[in-house]
Amino acid sequence: DVKVTQSSRYLVKRTGEKVFLECVQDMDHENMFWYRQDPGLGLRLIYFSYDVKMKEKGDIPEGYSVSREKKERFSLILESASTNQTSMYLCASSLWTGPEKLFFGSGTQLSVL
Amino acid sequence: DAKTTQPTSMDCAEGRAANLPCNHSTISGNEYVYWYRQIHSQGPQYIIHGLKNNETNEMASLIITEDRKSSTLILPHATLRDTAVYYCIVRGAPGAGSYQLTFGKGTKLSVIP
Repeated sequence: DVKVTQSSRYLVKRTGEKVFLECVQDMDHENMFWYRQDPGLGLRLIYFSYDVKMKEKGDIPEGYSVSREKKERFSLILESASTNQTSMYLCASSLWTGPEKLFFGSGTQLSVL
Repeated sequence: DAKTTQPTSMDCAEGRAANLPCNHSTISGNEYVYWYRQIHSQGPQYIIHGLKNNETNEMASLIITEDRKSSTLILPHATLRDTAVYYCIVRGAPGAGSYQLTFGKGTKLSVIP
């Protein structure tokens, strides 16, 4: 089975800190995604990447950046964390062939105080 | 991507079939129907997808009406572990539009002992 691993299950950070969320997948998938999930708002796409060093903005990229130096790893960076970035962050990956089946990690619950 | 409409919640007795409906009356010819579920505190999990024909896998069956305006996800013998939020999503293949899978509010399925 595809495994998508997120580095932390829970994370607590202070306002203004630089935060790194790491995601690793083990199935050689081309596509990787970062979503955030908030009650009442569903899942919203922050950034995605379809190849190494390639990235595309999703619906809500403001305040975030990403890095994909290796195919298996996709990092989400909060340059200066703010309280409104408190959320559940979900990483996903998929193959670039036909209809996409996304495989999700277990999520990182980030609290910014 | 076409919009979907699902009931907010449903109950199902353990061991019985769970039938989860989804309306997608604006679906276009090249759009697929996807089903995902999200168990509490976990990332979404892919279940099944289809274009025109009915589909079955080890998890569920997907029945798509002939006019493709609605579909039903069937869990043949629901167990307590099937309690989750089920999302019906419609979108085209990669390259035909955005990469985003739009997760709405889904149907909260409660399997009752």
